[in-house]
Amino acid sequence: QVQLVESGGGVVQPGGSLRLSCAASGFTFSNYGMFWVRQAPGMGLQWVASLWDDGGNKHYGDSVKGRFTVSRDNSMNTLYLQMNSLTAEDTAVYYCARRDSGGNSFDSWGQGTLVTVSS
Amino acid sequence: QSALTQPRSVSGSPGQSVTVSCTGSSRDVGGYNYVSWYQQFPGKAPKLMIYDVSKRPSGVPDRFSGSKSGNTASLTISGLQAEDEADYYCCSYAGSHWLFGGGTQVTVL
Repeated sequence: QVQLVESGGGVVQPGGSLRLSCAASGFTFSNYGMFWVRQAPGMGLQWVASLWDDGGNKHYGDSVKGRFTVSRDNSMNTLYLQMNSLTAEDTAVYYCARRDSGGNSFDSWGQGTLVTVSS
Repeated sequence: QSALTQPRSVSGSPGQSVTVSCTGSSRDVGGYNYVSWYQQFPGKAPKLMIYDVSKRPSGVPDRFSGSKSGNTASLTISGLQAEDEADYYCCSYAGSHWLFGGGTQVTVL
């Protein structure tokens, strides 16, 4: 079965950096586009970034553009999110999600990893 | 990249039908047939319930249905059950980016 496991969250000071990972299993990772979606405490979902199966076609939400970088290693079945210049507004649970084949929805989700930006 | 508009909450008695609306614009909901809906329980990851406006993934009960008219999409839960009490989020593709609604809390009375 499809499994996505995020890691790398934690507490970081404002202005700091963090790299999240998402380990995929149960499907052919290199055939699927992937996303990062976040949810601030008590708030709704927000799309953060996406990239296609070959690692190309990267797109970012306005609030993270220029600070976050999404990448993937298809040989390791892993998705990454490099987050720089973090602010308190980036505090959230970060989910990785798989793009459904041929469409534009998020058909499988990880359990999420919490990022807290605080001094 | 403004969020889509959903009601904060809707409620219904067991067995009734409830509908959650999701309003966007011609640049997102109205421009593409890529509206999806997600169910989320507290402390849990979201789950895909409807994709491509009205398609149901395998395993999702057929009491969940989706539709779209113009710039507004809708999720209908027919024959509401206690286990349907959760938060529901709509999402629309908007040309190289995705927009979520603010979420709707569905309460079973």
